[in-house]
Amino acid sequence: DTEVTQTPKHLVMGMTNKKSLKCEQHMGHRAMYWYKQKAKKPPELMFVYSYEKLSINESVPSRFSPECPNSSLLNLHLHALQPEDSALYLCASSPLPGQTNSPLHFGNGTRLTVT
Amino acid sequence: QKEVEQNSGPLSVPEGAIASLNCTYSDRGSQSFFWYRQYSGKSPELIMFIYSNGDKEDGRFTAQLNKASQYVSLLIRDSQPSDSATYLCAVSPYSSASKIIFGSGTRLSIRP
Repeated sequence: DTEVTQTPKHLVMGMTNKKSLKCEQHMGHRAMYWYKQKAKKPPELMFVYSYEKLSINESVPSRFSPECPNSSLLNLHLHALQPEDSALYLCASSPLPGQTNSPLHFGNGTRLTVT
Repeated sequence: QKEVEQNSGPLSVPEGAIASLNCTYSDRGSQSFFWYRQYSGKSPELIMFIYSNGDKEDGRFTAQLNKASQYVSLLIRDSQPSDSATYLCAVSPYSSASKIIFGSGTRLSIRP
């Protein structure tokens, strides 16, 4: 079992829907990440929050909107998605942003299908 | 040139043998290097990380880092069928230490 919890596990949404992905960790980690992973491809970085502030946005389209309400929670708000946005969305956390011994710990992911 | 490069495989290794997985990276100032294992349909799972030149051992796994050659490898001793998975190399580049960039992964198959 992972110590990073993501909900929901599966999500099917239409292109006009608004939905949110949620992520929670209670390890005291101070960096949280969203990655997107398509089939047979590596995880692709979307956003990084360091100490609850957005520090990296990898030129992600505005239909994806991250939010970090506190040090344990990370949300990804979805609006007007396209079918090509269907993927596995992975949340991760790490103890200290930018430190050499600070690996990512992944949640189990949310499998998103946009119809 | 890709930031992190791996041979996509598949790499087929007989059970009980040593599996050797390789990774090169482009940012010479990169500080931290990670190996993840990912089973089909699952999320990546950390195997180990290394940040000093040389070898680091953890059970059946050994990570090797050579910063001069910009090369990191993972050895799996006494390979088991349960080791069959995709192995992702990840690097934290000097330009942005908070980013962790993944290679495309090597698919490893352990044949009984």
